[in-house]
Amino acid sequence: DQQVKQNSPSLSVQEGRISILNCDYTNSMFDYFLWYKKYPAEGPTFLISISSIKDKNEDGRFTVFLNKSAKHLSLHIVPSQPGDSAVYFCAASGVRRGSQGNLIFGKGTKLSVKP
Amino acid sequence: NAGVTQTPKFQVLKTGQSMTLQCAQDMNHNSMYWYRQDPGMGLRLIYYSASEGTTDKGEVPNGYNVSRLNKREFSLRLESAAPSQTSVYFCASSVPGQYLKNIQYFGAGTRLSVL
Repeated sequence: DQQVKQNSPSLSVQEGRISILNCDYTNSMFDYFLWYKKYPAEGPTFLISISSIKDKNEDGRFTVFLNKSAKHLSLHIVPSQPGDSAVYFCAASGVRRGSQGNLIFGKGTKLSVKP
Repeated sequence: NAGVTQTPKFQVLKTGQSMTLQCAQDMNHNSMYWYRQDPGMGLRLIYYSASEGTTDKGEVPNGYNVSRLNKREFSLRLESAAPSQTSVYFCASSVPGQYLKNIQYFGAGTRLSVL
Protein backbone atom coordinates (compact mmCIF):
# COMPACT_ATOMS: atom_id res chain seq x y z
CA ASP A 1 0.00 0.00 0.00
CA GLN A 2 1.44 3.29 -1.12
CA GLN A 3 1.55 5.96 1.54
CA VAL A 4 2.58 8.65 -0.96
CA LYS A 5 0.86 8.64 -4.34
CA GLN A 6 1.60 10.54 -7.51
CA ASN A 7 -1.21 9.43 -9.77
CA SER A 8 0.00 11.10 -12.95
CA PRO A 9 3.04 9.32 -14.41
CA SER A 10 3.56 12.11 -16.91
CA LEU A 11 2.58 15.70 -17.68
CA SER A 12 3.20 17.80 -20.79
CA VAL A 13 3.07 21.59 -20.65
CA GLN A 14 3.83 24.42 -23.05
CA GLU A 15 6.72 26.71 -22.22
CA GLY A 16 5.56 29.77 -20.28
CA ARG A 17 2.43 28.08 -18.93
CA ILE A 18 1.84 26.74 -15.42
CA SER A 19 2.81 23.19 -14.47
CA ILE A 20 0.85 21.62 -11.62
CA LEU A 21 2.13 18.36 -10.14
CA ASN A 22 -0.03 16.59 -7.59
CA CYS A 23 0.67 14.29 -4.67
CA ASP A 24 -1.66 12.53 -2.21
CA TYR A 25 -0.76 10.84 1.05
CA THR A 26 -2.59 8.48 3.34
CA ASN A 27 -0.68 8.69 6.63
CA SER A 28 -1.95 11.51 8.84
CA MET A 29 1.27 11.29 10.87
CA PHE A 30 3.26 12.78 7.99
CA ASP A 31 4.02 16.39 8.74
CA TYR A 32 6.92 17.38 6.54
CA PHE A 33 6.78 17.22 2.77
CA LEU A 34 9.41 17.68 0.09
CA TRP A 35 9.69 17.82 -3.68
CA TYR A 36 12.74 16.51 -5.50
CA LYS A 37 13.69 16.95 -9.13
CA LYS A 38 15.60 14.31 -11.06
CA TYR A 39 17.30 14.53 -14.42
CA PRO A 40 18.30 11.34 -16.29
CA ALA A 41 21.55 9.77 -15.08
CA GLU A 42 21.69 12.10 -12.07
CA GLY A 43 20.64 11.84 -8.45
CA PRO A 44 17.52 13.57 -7.13
CA THR A 45 18.02 17.17 -6.06
CA PHE A 46 16.00 18.91 -3.38
CA LEU A 47 13.63 21.52 -4.76
CA ILE A 48 11.25 22.82 -2.09
CA SER A 49 9.60 21.69 1.13
CA ILE A 50 6.71 22.52 3.43
CA SER A 51 5.87 21.66 7.01
CA SER A 52 2.37 20.84 8.15
CA ILE A 53 2.03 24.08 10.07
CA LYS A 54 1.93 25.95 6.75
CA ASP A 55 -0.33 25.73 3.72
CA LYS A 56 1.97 27.41 1.20
CA ASN A 57 5.67 27.84 0.60
CA GLU A 58 7.13 29.78 -2.29
CA ASP A 59 10.62 29.87 -3.78
CA GLY A 60 10.96 31.80 -7.01
CA ARG A 61 8.99 30.06 -9.75
CA PHE A 62 8.13 27.14 -7.46
CA THR A 63 5.26 27.08 -4.98
CA VAL A 64 4.09 24.13 -2.91
CA PHE A 65 0.54 24.05 -1.52
CA LEU A 66 -0.56 21.74 1.29
CA ASN A 67 -4.18 20.80 2.04
CA LYS A 68 -4.01 18.72 5.22
CA SER A 69 -7.72 17.98 5.41
CA ALA A 70 -7.56 16.45 1.92
CA LYS A 71 -4.08 14.93 2.50
CA HIS A 72 -3.00 16.55 -0.75
CA LEU A 73 -0.10 18.67 -1.86
CA SER A 74 0.77 20.22 -5.17
CA LEU A 75 3.78 21.82 -6.80
CA HIS A 76 3.19 24.78 -9.10
CA ILE A 77 5.86 25.93 -11.54
CA VAL A 78 5.22 29.33 -13.11
CA PRO A 79 6.30 30.01 -15.77
CA SER A 80 7.44 26.61 -16.96
CA GLN A 81 10.73 26.42 -18.83
CA PRO A 82 12.20 23.64 -21.02
CA GLY A 83 14.92 23.15 -18.38
CA ASP A 84 12.21 22.11 -15.94
CA SER A 85 11.71 18.90 -17.91
CA ALA A 86 12.56 16.16 -15.41
CA VAL A 87 10.98 13.61 -13.10
CA TYR A 88 9.54 15.15 -9.93
CA PHE A 89 9.23 13.10 -6.76
CA CYS A 90 7.03 13.94 -3.83
CA ALA A 91 8.27 12.73 -0.42
CA ALA A 92 6.93 12.80 3.12
CA SER A 93 8.35 12.22 6.58
CA GLY A 94 6.63 11.31 9.83
CA VAL A 95 8.24 13.53 12.38
CA ARG A 96 6.27 12.63 15.47
CA ARG A 97 6.65 8.89 15.15
CA GLY A 98 10.21 9.08 16.38
CA SER A 99 11.40 7.53 13.15
CA GLN A 100 14.03 10.24 12.75
CA GLY A 101 12.22 11.51 9.73
CA ASN A 102 12.86 8.83 7.12
CA LEU A 103 11.38 9.84 3.77
CA ILE A 104 8.65 7.97 1.91
CA PHE A 105 8.71 8.72 -1.83
CA GLY A 106 6.01 8.70 -4.47
CA LYS A 107 6.66 7.04 -7.84
CA GLY A 108 7.32 10.31 -9.61
CA THR A 109 5.79 12.40 -12.38
CA LYS A 110 7.70 13.02 -15.59
CA LEU A 111 7.26 16.64 -16.67
CA SER A 112 7.92 17.64 -20.27
CA VAL A 113 7.95 21.34 -21.07
CA LYS A 114 7.69 21.95 -24.80
CA PRO A 115 9.17 25.07 -26.41
CA ASN B 1 31.75 20.98 -3.65
CA ALA B 2 31.76 17.19 -3.97
CA GLY B 3 28.70 16.57 -1.75
CA VAL B 4 27.82 12.87 -1.93
CA THR B 5 30.12 10.71 -4.04
CA GLN B 6 29.23 7.18 -5.14
CA THR B 7 31.52 4.60 -6.72
CA PRO B 8 31.35 2.87 -9.09
CA LYS B 9 28.94 4.60 -11.47
CA PHE B 10 28.23 1.41 -13.43
CA GLN B 11 28.67 -2.28 -12.64
CA VAL B 12 27.72 -5.55 -14.29
CA LEU B 13 27.71 -8.68 -12.14
CA LYS B 14 26.94 -12.32 -12.71
CA THR B 15 24.41 -14.03 -10.46
CA GLY B 16 26.09 -15.08 -7.22
CA GLN B 17 28.93 -12.58 -7.36
CA SER B 18 29.47 -10.13 -4.53
CA MET B 19 30.32 -6.48 -4.56
CA THR B 20 30.38 -3.37 -2.37
CA LEU B 21 28.97 -0.01 -3.37
CA GLN B 22 30.85 2.87 -1.82
CA CYS B 23 29.44 6.19 -0.65
CA ALA B 24 31.19 9.16 0.92
CA GLN B 25 29.92 12.60 1.91
CA ASP B 26 31.91 15.69 2.78
CA MET B 27 29.11 17.77 4.33
CA ASN B 28 29.66 16.55 7.91
CA HIS B 29 26.17 15.03 7.93
CA ASN B 30 25.17 12.64 10.69
CA SER B 31 22.68 10.52 8.77
CA MET B 32 23.24 8.47 5.64
CA TYR B 33 20.91 6.32 3.51
CA TRP B 34 20.86 3.76 0.72
CA TYR B 35 17.96 3.63 -1.73
CA ARG B 36 17.16 1.68 -4.84
CA GLN B 37 15.09 2.95 -7.75
CA ASP B 38 13.40 0.61 -10.19
CA PRO B 39 11.47 1.59 -13.36
CA GLY B 40 8.07 3.05 -12.52
CA MET B 41 8.87 3.00 -8.82
CA GLY B 42 9.88 5.67 -6.40
CA LEU B 43 12.96 5.47 -4.26
CA ARG B 44 12.79 2.69 -1.71
CA LEU B 45 14.91 2.77 1.41
CA ILE B 46 17.24 -0.21 1.84
CA TYR B 47 19.19 0.72 4.98
CA TYR B 48 20.01 3.86 6.86
CA SER B 49 22.44 5.06 9.48
CA ALA B 50 21.14 7.76 11.80
CA SER B 51 24.61 8.41 13.16
CA GLU B 52 28.10 6.96 13.15
CA GLY B 53 28.03 3.50 14.70
CA THR B 54 24.35 2.76 14.07
CA THR B 55 22.54 1.13 11.16
CA ASP B 56 18.89 0.14 10.69
CA LYS B 57 16.80 -1.65 8.12
CA GLY B 58 14.59 0.26 5.74
CA GLU B 59 11.75 -0.94 3.54
CA VAL B 60 13.68 -3.45 1.37
CA PRO B 61 16.77 -4.73 3.26
CA ASN B 62 16.79 -8.39 2.17
CA GLY B 63 19.93 -9.40 0.28
CA TYR B 64 21.97 -6.41 1.46
CA ASN B 65 24.31 -5.49 4.26
CA VAL B 66 25.75 -2.12 5.21
CA SER B 67 28.69 -0.69 7.08
CA ARG B 68 28.98 2.81 8.49
CA LEU B 69 32.76 2.95 8.36
CA ASN B 70 33.03 6.43 9.85
CA LYS B 71 31.04 9.65 9.74
CA ARG B 72 31.86 10.18 6.05
CA GLU B 73 31.44 6.72 4.58
CA PHE B 74 28.52 4.31 4.29
CA SER B 75 28.90 1.19 2.13
CA LEU B 76 26.30 -1.23 0.76
CA ARG B 77 27.25 -4.87 0.15
CA LEU B 78 25.58 -7.47 -2.01
CA GLU B 79 26.87 -10.85 -0.79
CA SER B 80 25.34 -12.97 -3.55
CA ALA B 81 23.86 -10.84 -6.32
CA ALA B 82 20.55 -11.83 -7.90
CA PRO B 83 18.87 -10.53 -11.09
CA SER B 84 16.18 -8.95 -8.88
CA GLN B 85 18.88 -6.62 -7.55
CA THR B 86 19.33 -5.02 -10.96
CA SER B 87 18.55 -1.40 -10.18
CA VAL B 88 19.92 2.08 -9.73
CA TYR B 89 21.28 2.62 -6.24
CA PHE B 90 21.40 6.03 -4.61
CA CYS B 91 23.20 7.09 -1.48
CA ALA B 92 22.03 10.14 0.44
CA SER B 93 22.97 12.08 3.54
CA SER B 94 21.24 14.58 5.80
CA VAL B 95 21.32 16.49 9.04
CA PRO B 96 17.84 16.13 10.51
CA GLY B 97 17.07 19.61 11.71
CA GLN B 98 14.46 21.29 13.79
CA TYR B 99 11.24 19.26 13.83
CA LEU B 100 13.27 16.61 11.97
CA LYS B 101 13.22 18.64 8.77
CA ASN B 102 14.96 15.86 6.90
CA ILE B 103 16.32 17.30 3.67
CA GLN B 104 18.43 14.61 2.06
CA TYR B 105 21.20 15.17 -0.47
CA PHE B 106 21.80 12.48 -3.05
CA GLY B 107 24.73 11.10 -4.99
CA ALA B 108 24.62 10.53 -8.75
CA GLY B 109 23.82 6.84 -8.41
CA THR B 110 25.30 3.44 -9.26
CA ARG B 111 23.68 1.56 -12.14
CA LEU B 112 23.92 -2.15 -11.40
CA SER B 113 23.00 -4.99 -13.73
CA VAL B 114 22.97 -8.58 -12.51
CA LEU B 115 22.96 -11.15 -15.31
